[in-house]
Amino acid sequence: SQKIEQNSEALNIQEGKTATLTCNYTNYSPAYLQWYRQDPGRGPVFLLLIRENEKEKRKERLKVTFDTTLKQSLFHITASQPADSATYLCALWEYGNKLVFGAGTILRVKS
Amino acid sequence: SQTIHQWPATLVQPVGSPLSLECTVEGTSNPNLYWYRQAAGRGLQLLFYSVGIGQISSEVPQNLSASRPQDRQFILSSKKLLLSDSGFYLCAWEQGSGGNEQFFGPGTRLTVL
Repeated sequence: SQKIEQNSEALNIQEGKTATLTCNYTNYSPAYLQWYRQDPGRGPVFLLLIRENEKEKRKERLKVTFDTTLKQSLFHITASQPADSATYLCALWEYGNKLVFGAGTILRVKS
Repeated sequence: SQTIHQWPATLVQPVGSPLSLECTVEGTSNPNLYWYRQAAGRGLQLLFYSVGIGQISSEVPQNLSASRPQDRQFILSSKKLLLSDSGFYLCAWEQGSGGNEQFFGPGTRLTVL
C-alpha cells in the first residue's frame, strides 16, 4: 500500500541548532515533493517545492533534499529559532494525481 | 495579491443538522480549488476538488457534497451531519495543472455534537 511517513514523535531541539525532519514514502513515484508549515489552528503555508530531477533546494535558512532511490526527503532548518516551532508537513505529487500529505512532524525549538 | 477566505471560523452543530461552509478566493482567476479535512494529529484528507465552475470531483464517498457556483467560490455542504464529520476543514487554491504550491485558507473548526 502507499504510505507517507513522517516522524510521529515531536522533535525537540535547542535554539541555534539545525533541525532535520524526515519524509519517507512507499509505493509512490513523485514528480514533485513539497514542504509546508502549519501553526496550531491555522492552514498550512507552503515553504519549498523540489522536483524529482533536483537533489537539493535552498531558501534562506531552509534546505530540502530529495533522494528518489532512498524514497526520502530531508528538510533542514539551520540556526533554528523558537519562532520555527510548528508542525511541518511533506506532500507528494505524482503526474495525473492529486497532492497527498503526510501527517506532519511537530518541531519545538527551545531557547 | 491573492487572498483566500473561509467562514465561519468555528461551528458547533448537532447531529443531523445541515452544513454549509464557504470559501472564496480573490486576486486570481480559474484556480483549482480543494476541500480538505484534517483530524487531530492526522494528515490532510482530500475531500473534493474542482478545476472549473460546476466541475466537482469527489475523492471520498461520504455524506458531504461540494459545489462551485462561481469561478472563485467553493462551497462544502451536508444535508445531515454525523459525529464523524467533526474536524478542521481547509479550503485551498492552486494555479496551473496540478503539483504546484497550494494556498490554504484559515480553516473552519467543526464540532458535531
